[in-house]
Amino acid sequence: AQSVTQLGSHVSVSEGALVLLRCNYSSSVPPYLFWYVQYPNQGLQLLLKYTSAATLVKGINGFEAEFKKSETSFHLTKPSAHMRDAAEYFCAVSDAGGTSYGKLTFGQGTILTVHP
Amino acid sequence: NAGVMQNPRHLVRRRGQEARLRCSPMKGHSHVYWYRQLPEEGLKFMVYLQKENIIDESGMPKERFSAEFPKEGPSILRIQQVVRGDSAAYFCASSPNQEGNQPQHFGDGTRLSIL
Repeated sequence: AQSVTQLGSHVSVSEGALVLLRCNYSSSVPPYLFWYVQYPNQGLQLLLKYTSAATLVKGINGFEAEFKKSETSFHLTKPSAHMRDAAEYFCAVSDAGGTSYGKLTFGQGTILTVHP
Repeated sequence: NAGVMQNPRHLVRRRGQEARLRCSPMKGHSHVYWYRQLPEEGLKFMVYLQKENIIDESGMPKERFSAEFPKEGPSILRIQQVVRGDSAAYFCASSPNQEGNQPQHFGDGTRLSIL
């Protein structure tokens, strides 16, 4: 069974400040990990993915995440927040090997607020 | 637009009616996943389909819910005799394979409201 925990349902930062959204996962097999962003009344857009290559993954819009197996973490960071980054962010896991047919298990989501 | 298309975007039903949600996957994708997003909750997997086959419906409620992905046409999620608790956003995602390493592409969702 897989699970994802996102620490902090709400994160608030000032424009220009560091963004750090936390994600810890649990998986009995090597995981594939994803971060998605959801803007109001829209679907989910992929930010980045980890599929067992480089542990530091760069995504769109200046975001990156580091896979740390020892900590079972996949935290999302961005050095400098923009107002347009305000959205809800979801961390998700699927298992390598296809035993769960690629279905995603999501965290509860973190709403990012960016103050001017 | 070659992305995942869902319709309708918004659907209002009265208790006891049927809701039909449609999803056309991205061109070239034959794997479709449905997820439900309840208020204040994350997305939960419902069902995974390939053309003409339900592969995994472990997340689908046992009663009133059904899904199909016919040889021709969109995937359909059907909810019969809707109740207030079915109010949610329903998202469809498609993928080129079931290996899990390819990101799923999501539609904009159908927001279902039950009166």
